[in-house]
Amino acid sequence: NAGVTQTPKFQVLKTGQSMTLQCAQDMNHEYMSWYRQDPGMGLRLIHYSVGAGITDQGEVPNGYNVSRSTTEDFPLRLLSAAPSQTSVYFCASRTGGVGEKLFFGSGTQLSVL
Amino acid sequence: GEDVEQSLFLSVREGDSSVINCTYTDSSSTYLYWYKQEPGAGLQLLTYIFSNMDMKQDQRLTVLLNKKDKHLSLRIADTQTGDSAIYFCAEKGQNQGGKLIFGQGTELSVKP
Repeated sequence: NAGVTQTPKFQVLKTGQSMTLQCAQDMNHEYMSWYRQDPGMGLRLIHYSVGAGITDQGEVPNGYNVSRSTTEDFPLRLLSAAPSQTSVYFCASRTGGVGEKLFFGSGTQLSVL
Repeated sequence: GEDVEQSLFLSVREGDSSVINCTYTDSSSTYLYWYKQEPGAGLQLLTYIFSNMDMKQDQRLTVLLNKKDKHLSLRIADTQTGDSAIYFCAEKGQNQGGKLIFGQGTELSVKP
């Protein structure tokens, strides 16, 4: 079972460049989300989606865009990369029902120079 | 507001029990979770507990919940070197689609 797949695993960008982090899940989960992980700060929610065609902002959305054209895919776009966006990014999808468990991808380590 | 706090480091000897503690602020959380992160990997769900439960046991893991004090703990019995990782406590928030609010993570180091 693939679960949540993120690509790429590593990326280095120059300030001002744009790029898209890919995320796909094969568990038919309606809810998908993007978090960033920074040392000493835990994980912070960037954007989330409760189903195809529906997206909304999390607690740190500035500088990022998302779209959800299918249930499976939830790409995260950096429009004009800044050094403050250097972080590890995790995509996650969630079951419904009891527990509402969140499943994570393996992460993308992004450095912005 | 919603906040989750954990201590940052814990060091134990192999074979001892580990206890990782967490406090949270949102008394209306329905679920509380423990996740494990190994180096270079994503977070993996270890266990979760309903907010109306006091305790949950799953093999070597015991979760204790004190709702009055908003305190959650994870006990790992017979800790092994393979348990070395970062452990995150999380509560299910009320806003933003029921997002998970994570603590900073506790780095568990198990010495042989």
